[in-house]
Amino acid sequence: DAGITQSPRHKVTETGTPVTLRCHQTENHRYMYWYRQDPGHGLRLIHYSYGVKDTDKGEVSDGYSVSRSKTEDFLLTLESATSSQTSVYFCAITRRGEGQNTEAFFGQGTRLTVV
Amino acid sequence: AQKITQTQPGMFVQEKEAVTLDCTYDTSDPSYGLFWYKQPSSGEMIFLIYQGSYDQQNATEGRYSLNFQKARKSANLVISASQLGDSAMYFCAHSRANFGNEKLTFGTGTRLTIIP
Repeated sequence: DAGITQSPRHKVTETGTPVTLRCHQTENHRYMYWYRQDPGHGLRLIHYSYGVKDTDKGEVSDGYSVSRSKTEDFLLTLESATSSQTSVYFCAITRRGEGQNTEAFFGQGTRLTVV
Repeated sequence: AQKITQTQPGMFVQEKEAVTLDCTYDTSDPSYGLFWYKQPSSGEMIFLIYQGSYDQQNATEGRYSLNFQKARKSANLVISASQLGDSAMYFCAHSRANFGNEKLTFGTGTRLTIIP
């Protein structure tokens, strides 16, 4: 599992409230990612980080912000949650594997419901 | 932009038979990687296999192999001797091969059901 832990695992929140999801890793991975999974869309990249305080937008970044003040933690914030942000959120890391191989591992996921 | 197409929304296969899950991709990157993931009903994303675009041989991992046809931009997953535990969603994904910074683009998945 590459030492990735997401919290919380489940959350129900009301429209308009701020929400922060946490991704914690214990293996000093440089690259971290947030994806969301919706029916019919597979997984889509929200934001990613390539180091402490270095982040960039992905395909579906509107309504989300991220922060990475420590290598081990990558936070995803919904400033004002909307029903369209009801989804399953996955954190991921990538690293070099054997030879030229790339390895990409995901956390357990966070199911967020906005009511 | 990269695009991944999985044309089989669902498949039903008899236990112990081999399964081929289709994946085609559209990319202009000279170097790239292809991934397959399994997502059981419990929801976690399980990494199965990786193929680099410059790899001469098809990747294999136990009962999983990747039938990589570069000219056709095809990266089909083959599962040999299917088992009931193989029932799950399967996702194909593409990345630019930056050797560490791999933003993934996913297909919409195939739901595989193994019939006893």
